[in-house]
Amino acid sequence: KQEVTQIPAALSVPEGENLVLNCSFTDSAIYNLQWFRQDPGKGLTSLLLIQSSQREQTSGRLNASLDKSSGRSTLYIAASQPGDSATYLCAVYDDYKLSFGAGTTVTVRA
Amino acid sequence: GAVVSQHPSWVICKSGTSVKIECRSLDFQATTMFWYRQFPKQSLMLMATSNEGSKATYEQGVEKDKFLINHASLTLSTLTVTSAHPEDSSFYICSARGLFSSYNEQFFGPGTRLTVL
Repeated sequence: KQEVTQIPAALSVPEGENLVLNCSFTDSAIYNLQWFRQDPGKGLTSLLLIQSSQREQTSGRLNASLDKSSGRSTLYIAASQPGDSATYLCAVYDDYKLSFGAGTTVTVRA
Repeated sequence: GAVVSQHPSWVICKSGTSVKIECRSLDFQATTMFWYRQFPKQSLMLMATSNEGSKATYEQGVEKDKFLINHASLTLSTLTVTSAHPEDSSFYICSARGLFSSYNEQFFGPGTRLTVL
């Protein structure tokens, strides 16, 4: 059974600092990996999807890397802003099923 | 494109009553829909997978008689929580995948907050 772990569970940084969020998974035979953002009481917003054959994906200030062999992915958010405050979830596709990590709750202080 | 809606967005009900939650794919045909639940400060847990016209497949530990899932059309799936109790209070999120979905990508609805008194 796929286990997805996100460290740290919570993170607080001053505005402008770069964010580094980590995700690890136990079974490297994955199809894809996806990062989501969740605001309190809300649904999921997809940020980046990395195919299993890719090593990274970029969108604006966001960059996600994937190392299947070591079972790790990292989400980088450059020049953080207070609006980046949210919970970030990592999810791994095993064929059709998605397994989620518990998330990293980020607070960006103005 | 690839928009998924849920209705209602929140519901409060009395213990013992049943509640139905709808999940719709607005601009695509969803061959497969998924239902997740999320407890406060916890991650999403897959409850069941449903394919249009077929019986849902439930994850281990999920009571199929408690959580009735119907996927009668390519754009609509419903989750009915029967005889709800306070421990069923949770955030329920659906997702959908269509034939066009690259890389098995799922598209998520905005969620439904259920509170059972």
